[in-house]
Amino acid sequence: GAGVSQTPSNKVTEKGKYVELRCDPISGHTALYWYRQSLGQGPEFLIYFQGTGAADDSGLPNDRFFAVRPEGSVSTLKIQRTERGDSAVYLCASSSGTSGGADMQYFGPGTRLTVL
Amino acid sequence: AQSVTQLDSHVSVSEGTPVLLRCNYSSSYSPSLFWYVQHPNKGLQLLLKYTSAATLVKGINGFEAEFKKSETSFHLTKPSAHMSDAAEYFCVVSDWGSSGNTPLVFGKGTRLSVIA
Repeated sequence: GAGVSQTPSNKVTEKGKYVELRCDPISGHTALYWYRQSLGQGPEFLIYFQGTGAADDSGLPNDRFFAVRPEGSVSTLKIQRTERGDSAVYLCASSSGTSGGADMQYFGPGTRLTVL
Repeated sequence: AQSVTQLDSHVSVSEGTPVLLRCNYSSSYSPSLFWYVQHPNKGLQLLLKYTSAATLVKGINGFEAEFKKSETSFHLTKPSAHMSDAAEYFCVVSDWGSSGNTPLVFGKGTRLSVIA
């Protein structure tokens, strides 16, 4: 596709349930990032993949959160035992992975997660 | 560790008047600096980026920003505001000098209102 896509666009779930959020990066981009944007805040880093491996997962808030990218393309963010505080917009971004910290990241439209 | 401070949470200007959105950064390495814009219910869009070339950076839609190392600032300006500029603006830093790709660190955002 032309840009980063994320599904679903909206997800409503009940406290304690398990959810999966999907990100489809720009074709050929080796770097993929997940961010979380709470209401009224800027996005905060969760995890970064270079290829299939998680190069930096220091932003994951606790062990209920984990993410995979088994084939180096699509990534899934998984949240177990959801809590009301997990409600936020989850953003995915990808980059070519070739220029170090100057690499431009392209963002998807996000998935709005609401935990009731 | 890098950080960003956006000095104003909300800026209101009249249409046709100049825009100034202020940003100060902290970085351990040579920083890459970005401004992103987020319109309501839309994805993040890159306005401009600085990566150690010219200190005055021109972006899209008439915006520009000047990197001032001595002041650790990267303020965003536009000579004449348009109604369509009303949005949330994020100043972002990334440590270009560190190894590998690095996550983006976002400020809390500045909401720009444009009054007719």
